[in-house]
Amino acid sequence: GQNIDQPTEMTATEGAIVQINCTYQTSGFNGLFWYQQHAGEAPTFLSYNVLDGLEEKGRFSSFLSRSKGYSYLLLKELQMKDSASYLCAVRGEGFQKLVFGTGTRLLVSP
Amino acid sequence: DGGITQSPKYLFRKEGQNVTLSCEQNLNHDAMYWYRQDPGQGLRLIYYSQIVNDFQKGDIAEGYSVSREKKESFPLTVTSAQKNPTAFYLCASSRREAQETQYFGPGTRLLVL
Repeated sequence: GQNIDQPTEMTATEGAIVQINCTYQTSGFNGLFWYQQHAGEAPTFLSYNVLDGLEEKGRFSSFLSRSKGYSYLLLKELQMKDSASYLCAVRGEGFQKLVFGTGTRLLVSP
Repeated sequence: DGGITQSPKYLFRKEGQNVTLSCEQNLNHDAMYWYRQDPGQGLRLIYYSQIVNDFQKGDIAEGYSVSREKKESFPLTVTSAQKNPTAFYLCASSRREAQETQYFGPGTRLLVL
């Protein structure tokens, strides 16, 4: 079977750092994606990891450990506009099919 | 500007009625996908297509049908056999390379009257 777990909801303060975790069990592994989704809108791509380690992209970083089936998304210098859901998705075996977690809703307060 | 368009933004369906959701992309992507999103649940794959005139069922295909007659277009029909169609429907497209992300359209919210 395929399973992806993320916390349902997190809260943080403007200017702080937050880490959103994702654990996965899938049939094969061909990459992990993080997306941001504001309420009622389409998901937008944030990051892609296929090798172990940290990928940094501005205020956002994503980490992957394939042996542990674990990834996290790190958001620094939080802004109010970062309030959104963050979706973890894994590509398992086969063509481009992605399996999505249920998403983590992040609420940033002043 | 390249992108994915979905129409309509909101759609109302009466009991026993089939409705078709439109998805068009001008990104020259080979692959297209339909997802359903319900509150508290992740995106679930309905159908996907890797190439024109070919498509495969996803995890929740029952009650849905698709066609892929043109590279740019991948319409989804929600049939009367789908007993709980109220959801947010997202269309996506991508290139075929493994590291390529999927790009999503703005979504269609379907409501049953």
